[in-house]
Amino acid sequence: QKEVEQDPGPLSVPEGAIVSLNCTYSNSAFQYFMWYRQYSRKGPELLMYTYSSGNKEDGRFTAQVDKSSKYISLFIRDSQPSDSATYLCASPLPGGGSYIPTFGRGTSLIVHP
Amino acid sequence: EAGVAQSPRYKIIEKRQSVAFWCNPISGHATLYWYQQILGQGPKLLIQFQNNGVVDDSQLPKDRFSAERLKGVDSTLKIQPAKLEDSAVYLCASSFTPGNSYEQYFGPGTRLTVT
Repeated sequence: QKEVEQDPGPLSVPEGAIVSLNCTYSNSAFQYFMWYRQYSRKGPELLMYTYSSGNKEDGRFTAQVDKSSKYISLFIRDSQPSDSATYLCASPLPGGGSYIPTFGRGTSLIVHP
Repeated sequence: EAGVAQSPRYKIIEKRQSVAFWCNPISGHATLYWYQQILGQGPKLLIQFQNNGVVDDSQLPKDRFSAERLKGVDSTLKIQPAKLEDSAVYLCASSFTPGNSYEQYFGPGTRLTVT
């Protein structure tokens, strides 16, 4: 079992839709969580990170963490074609005196006009 | 502020050949990471440097991969000899605060094809 699980998609939605992207994790040692966006043939870029359970909002993006069920979500409101990308959830896993960034496989999102 | 620079952007080699990738992190960033991203998967950490020293290399296949970071700035990742399964994108990332892996900035990656 991978440490961080994501459905690879693709998830296809019409422009303006609310998008829900989800991850589950297995290791309770994960303490904080990140969402990255990766356009084709580009490196990932950090969208948001959050430490505690609950919601964190940044513009059209809301990150939600439920530590009791080990479930992480990213919501995108008023989705745009420019949001079409792969979304990666990640968490640093403590180990060996450092933190090992651990990524899910990513969910491919397609927003069509 | 300039981002993380990587070169080359693309490389095609035959199996058993050697290859090297170069990374220049964002100025002032103490921590540097090399990742391997196989098509359809998330990035997998290969090695993490803090300044000149290696923080973690537990997932680096040391029989064929090596990496160094001279003077705590630029870094090179080498594969020798390459195997078909090494075909992937090699991403370099850096972060300002040592150990602050949740605020990493990634370069564009080097796409390696091994034939």
